[in-house]
Amino acid sequence: KAGVTQTPRYLIKTRGQQVTLSCSPISGHRSVSWYQQTPGQGLQFLFEYFSETQRNKGNFPGRFSGRQFSNSRSEMNVSTLELGDSALYLCASSLGSSGTYNEQFFGPGTRLTVL
Amino acid sequence: GNSVTQMEGPVTLSEEAFLTINCTYTATGYPSLFWYVQYPGEGLQLLLKATKADDKGSNKGFEATYRKETTSFHLEKGSVQVSDSAVYFCALIADSNYQLIWGAGTKLIIKP
Repeated sequence: KAGVTQTPRYLIKTRGQQVTLSCSPISGHRSVSWYQQTPGQGLQFLFEYFSETQRNKGNFPGRFSGRQFSNSRSEMNVSTLELGDSALYLCASSLGSSGTYNEQFFGPGTRLTVL
Repeated sequence: GNSVTQMEGPVTLSEEAFLTINCTYTATGYPSLFWYVQYPGEGLQLLLKATKADDKGSNKGFEATYRKETTSFHLEKGSVQVSDSAVYFCALIADSNYQLIWGAGTKLIIKP
């Protein structure tokens, strides 16, 4: 079974631009979660999508948004990039069953550098 | 609120040494506890977990015991290898959203 894939793996942007990151979950997984990982703040939860709907949201500004398609693939968008958005963005997929913990499987991440 | 505190790294050991990475938590109720590992250039992988007090999670020679009385979930391994070099994250789930709360991570460096 193929794992979680993220594209692109590396990205360089300048301040003020916007960026879209993509995540393809494991086949059969319906939930996709996004995390931001930085040396200073560690791992922080951005949001979770399940069946094309945002089910949970972390404490990030509205510049960070996402969506999920009917095939469970997900995209994350960051508008008006700031230097502080430089980070490793991790995507995780899971079965997504409600009422219980579902093990999350992580992709390798997209390394975003904002200049 | 819920939180996880891990010992700061990097932790540097020689091959075959004994490893302990400390993790303590603050949470309401009865959280589930996890250790994840991140190898260089890779995503996170679940290493082991424990869902109730006194449970011991184990995998690949690593162990951790859920100690409710000390609110701890320390990671141990009897004999580390160079291939264990990675960043280790302690995490918990404590609410009905089932969202992971992460520790800051501990970088482990094993020298031959």
